[in-house]
Amino acid sequence: DGGITQSPKYLFRKEGQNVTLSCEQNLNHDAMYWYRQDPGQGLRLIYYSQIVNDFQKGDIAEGYSVSREKKESFPLTVTSAQKNPTAFYLCASSIMLGEKLFFGSGTQLSVL
Amino acid sequence: GDSVTQMEGPVTLSEEAFLTINCTYTATGYPSLFWYVQYPGEGLQLLLKATKADDKGSNKGFEATYRKETTSFHLEKGSVQVSDSAVYFCALGETSGSRLTFGEGTQLTVNP
Repeated sequence: DGGITQSPKYLFRKEGQNVTLSCEQNLNHDAMYWYRQDPGQGLRLIYYSQIVNDFQKGDIAEGYSVSREKKESFPLTVTSAQKNPTAFYLCASSIMLGEKLFFGSGTQLSVL
Repeated sequence: GDSVTQMEGPVTLSEEAFLTINCTYTATGYPSLFWYVQYPGEGLQLLLKATKADDKGSNKGFEATYRKETTSFHLEKGSVQVSDSAVYFCALGETSGSRLTFGEGTQLTVNP
């Protein structure tokens, strides 16, 4: 089945530690995105990528990094510079920017 | 910049009640408008969309009409079910090729 797979479903980060969230899609989509969702709030865009080897900062990129070495993969690293990382992280993809988004099931990141 | 404003939640209804969730937007140009739904613990799914003024998007008994004169895209359903309990997000994409901007989401709870 085609879709987006995020892993792990739950992740814990220690103080000062970098952690990487995985996102893989087999939909052959060009565009991929990372959103952060906090309780009772909407989605905030962290980074997005229109095409392989290219990515752009979203609205809240500080403390995060991404790479897009392969079309199907768009991993997100939450660095130690992100002081409030506890949130639900959603990865999405679309055929191109502005088109229907397909979402993964999310990763809940918590700080120990 | 572009923005989307949704009615504040949470919204609690009894089964078979009429639902309206308000959404208004600010954008330059001629955006496409979307409603996404998020069930507990999951990512978002596209519910419906409209790409130009006076278009009506519909799916699973939900409807929304793109009103350019009032810059609105209100979500309606004539008779809600318990299974409709979820968070609903309004979103816009200004032009083809632009990223989506999401509203803050509205939590809907339907009681039997």
